[in-house]
Amino acid sequence: AQRVTQPEKLLSVFKGAPVELKCNYSYSGSPELFWYVQYSRQRLQLLLRHISRESIKGFTADLNKGETSFHLKKPFAQEEDSAMYYCALKRNQGGKLIFGQGTELSVKP
Amino acid sequence: EPEVTQTPSHQVTQMGQEVILRCVPISNHLYFYWYRQILGQKVEFLVSFYNNEISEKSEIFDDQFSVERPDGSNFTLKIRSTKLEDSAMYFCASSDGGLGEKLFFGSGTQLSVL
Repeated sequence: AQRVTQPEKLLSVFKGAPVELKCNYSYSGSPELFWYVQYSRQRLQLLLRHISRESIKGFTADLNKGETSFHLKKPFAQEEDSAMYYCALKRNQGGKLIFGQGTELSVKP
Repeated sequence: EPEVTQTPSHQVTQMGQEVILRCVPISNHLYFYWYRQILGQKVEFLVSFYNNEISEKSEIFDDQFSVERPDGSNFTLKIRSTKLEDSAMYFCASSDGGLGEKLFFGSGTQLSVL
């Protein structure tokens, strides 16, 4: 069965510190991996996807198939990064997203 | 940027009553989804809809649930006889398909079953 695991429920860092939000998945095929973010009182929105190999708002994530991980990283956290972050997996085009439990990132001044 | 619109933002109902949650997906999108999030838990998939039919549904999506795209613009989720455990935030989403497709989410409907 497909599963996404985010081991940290809450991650608290100081502004300017590096951030790594962990995500591990289980899926036997070739998944598509995503990070979605939900800022306070806003809707869920896509942050980045592994297929694009992009950097959004300073965040990057590399798919490591050997470790089945897709950790989200940012070298210098900003207060405006405080939000809920969800790692998600999709098997195929138009298929459902399977979400992890989410990690709340709190960046303190 | 275009948005998915959901109404109402809050819905309070009595157990056993029927509710209809409404969504207007982005106009050129082809895939439509309902998700829900019970307080303190993960976002869970309920159902996906493509080409005017259900393409996939979860175990949660039992006979009490149904979806409809009645007029080519709205996408509704109906719960026939609500239970206390149906209380959750319900999110609608849509996408245009394609590799690495981006899902656009609505702001959600908070359903409270009393």
